[in-house]
Amino acid sequence: SYELTQPPSVSVSPGQTASITCSGDKLGDRYVCWYQQKPGQSPVLVIYQDNKRPSGIPERFSGSNSGNTATLTISGTQAMDEADYYCQAWDNTTPVFGGGTKLTVL
Amino acid sequence: EVQLVESGGGLVQPGGSLRLSCAASGFSFSSYSMNWVRQAPGKGLEWVSYISTTGSAIYYADSVKGRFTISRDNAKNSLYLQMNSLRDEDTAVYYCAREVYPGNYFDSWGQGTLVTVSS
Repeated sequence: SYELTQPPSVSVSPGQTASITCSGDKLGDRYVCWYQQKPGQSPVLVIYQDNKRPSGIPERFSGSNSGNTATLTISGTQAMDEADYYCQAWDNTTPVFGGGTKLTVL
Repeated sequence: EVQLVESGGGLVQPGGSLRLSCAASGFSFSSYSMNWVRQAPGKGLEWVSYISTTGSAIYYADSVKGRFTISRDNAKNSLYLQMNSLRDEDTAVYYCAREVYPGNYFDSWGQGTLVTVSS
């Protein structure tokens, strides 16, 4: 089965750029999306089709996907961005989630 | 405004059954494929099941195949998950999620309903 690997945690200082990676075999050949989940809340879509932002998502969120790695980048990270982030891609008819990355803003 | 509201969770003994519901509003429910995704306490997201707009295509995760049944009633704007032979490892918050095509991403999620399997 297809697997997506994320680092368990990433730390960033306020105002700096945070990068969260998601790795999978030939991941660049698939669309990747990213979800943000704050404690006690439901996931929220922040990036779809590798690099598109849904309406209402700040411009500081961006995405890329090439080779075996997709990256979620948060520029000018704010305290409100502290959350768990999950990447997701498809393995035929099955959506696959990465294990999640806890982003700490300190 | 798109709204998805899950219900039906609760405490159930191992081997028991539970039926989850997801009430949809604010969009044309019959035009969207729907999914169930779960999250065990302190763990990540796990896809559970998919159903196409008409119910003609249905898929399950291996972990629930043969025990869970997904269904929908487009006339009632509702999605369901019948869960039988429940196990401890089925304990999780269950979310219903709307799938957007093309792109196949989940753009709207419910607030979730907690299922606890314990004796």
